[in-house]
Amino acid sequence: GIQVEQSPPDLILQEGANSTLRCNFSDSVNNLQWFHQNPWGQLINLFYIPSGTKQNGRLSATTVATERYSLLYISSSQTTDSGVYFCAVEGSGGYQKVTFGIGTKLQVIP
Amino acid sequence: GAGVSQSPRYKVAKRGQDVALRCDPISGHVSLFWYQQALGQGPEFLTYFQNEAQLDKSGLPSDRFFAERPEGSVSTLKIQRTQQEDSAVYLCASSFKGGNQPQHFGDGTRLSIL
Repeated sequence: GIQVEQSPPDLILQEGANSTLRCNFSDSVNNLQWFHQNPWGQLINLFYIPSGTKQNGRLSATTVATERYSLLYISSSQTTDSGVYFCAVEGSGGYQKVTFGIGTKLQVIP
Repeated sequence: GAGVSQSPRYKVAKRGQDVALRCDPISGHVSLFWYQQALGQGPEFLTYFQNEAQLDKSGLPSDRFFAERPEGSVSTLKIQRTQQEDSAVYLCASSFKGGNQPQHFGDGTRLSIL
């Protein structure tokens, strides 16, 4: 099956700093999503981005499908950004189960 | 409600007991997925329904796990003769269709087996 690698595994930021999280995948994909899992365990949709660039407030994401990676940018980080960020992909060629990476654990300190 | 609803939020059971976890997807969503998330790991796929049809159950870890969605809406994940390794958060997600649609997750059921 498709492999998903996320980096870095852990990240500590000072409030106000910017960061880039990376997701590499081993094969072509139909679907890629970024999620934020907050400290209470809730998985929140951030972006549905199989290709191209999207922005939502302080967050933006870019997927370069031909090179099999996606980037999540967090600007002016806030303590509420803390949690785990997951990349999840669905392989191409009809229905494929969704595979999650192991996540990037982000801690934003005041 | 507007989102995916799961119940119970927390479940504690003794080893060997049977448990049933419920998922109520977003109204009108055809596709429903179950995932298992162990502590410190990403969610892992268990099974997928399109309406009432279970199209993929390749992620179910053993024959003690059983899922159903008889009327194409609410789904139940049942675990028989629970073992300690079944302790995890069980997440349900739904989407409007199958592939090429974003999945929306419920808050999960945290299952602890004593």
